[in-house]
Amino acid sequence: GESVGLHLPTLSVQEGDNSIINCAYSNSASDYFIWYKQESGKGPQFIIDIRSNMDKRQGQRVTVLLNKTVKHLSLQIAATQPGDSAVYFCAERAAGNKLTFGGGTRVLVKP
Amino acid sequence: DAGITQSPRHKVTETGTPVTLRCHQTENHRYMYWYRQDPGHGLRLIHYSYGVKDTDKGEVSDGYSVSRSKTEDFLLTLESATSSQTSVYFCAISVGGGGNQPQHFGDGTRLSIL
Repeated sequence: GESVGLHLPTLSVQEGDNSIINCAYSNSASDYFIWYKQESGKGPQFIIDIRSNMDKRQGQRVTVLLNKTVKHLSLQIAATQPGDSAVYFCAERAAGNKLTFGGGTRVLVKP
Repeated sequence: DAGITQSPRHKVTETGTPVTLRCHQTENHRYMYWYRQDPGHGLRLIHYSYGVKDTDKGEVSDGYSVSRSKTEDFLLTLESATSSQTSVYFCAISVGGGGNQPQHFGDGTRLSIL
């Protein structure tokens, strides 16, 4: 079946640098995408979402980019902080009110 | 904070015993979901509900049943627990219908089947 995947399982980044987390999706019918952050022992936390009629959306220190041509989604975190250390994963909606989740990328912020 | 409470937070039980996990929400959202999270698999949908007494299966529903008799509570039952059901279980709610709204998650129940 079609699924959401990630390019890199672990990303190490220096505190203060920008982080880029990538996600490839395979279902061209997907029309809504979400990024989540998950800290140890906690549930996934919503970060930002984007609909397929957009190619960029910005939040506080985060930007999501959507490239429908190559079915690629990315999350950019500006000025990465120690509190950004977590697992990040993307999700897509292809039909109904159900989401398909990727496996996650661990971000480690080095002081 | 989407007002989601999962109970219990941790449980250890034996193979063959019944187990019920509870998800409680305080904001009357229509859609509720149960997922399991395992290493290498990400989050996988078990069952979901789109209203009181309205439920449907997800991709990994075998061995699980659900009930929703009140808007605020969504119960997940393992009728006869197996070791393969050892996992972390998350409940989620969707803040709006139509599918173009994010799901918000509780903090999970860590279930160990010995």
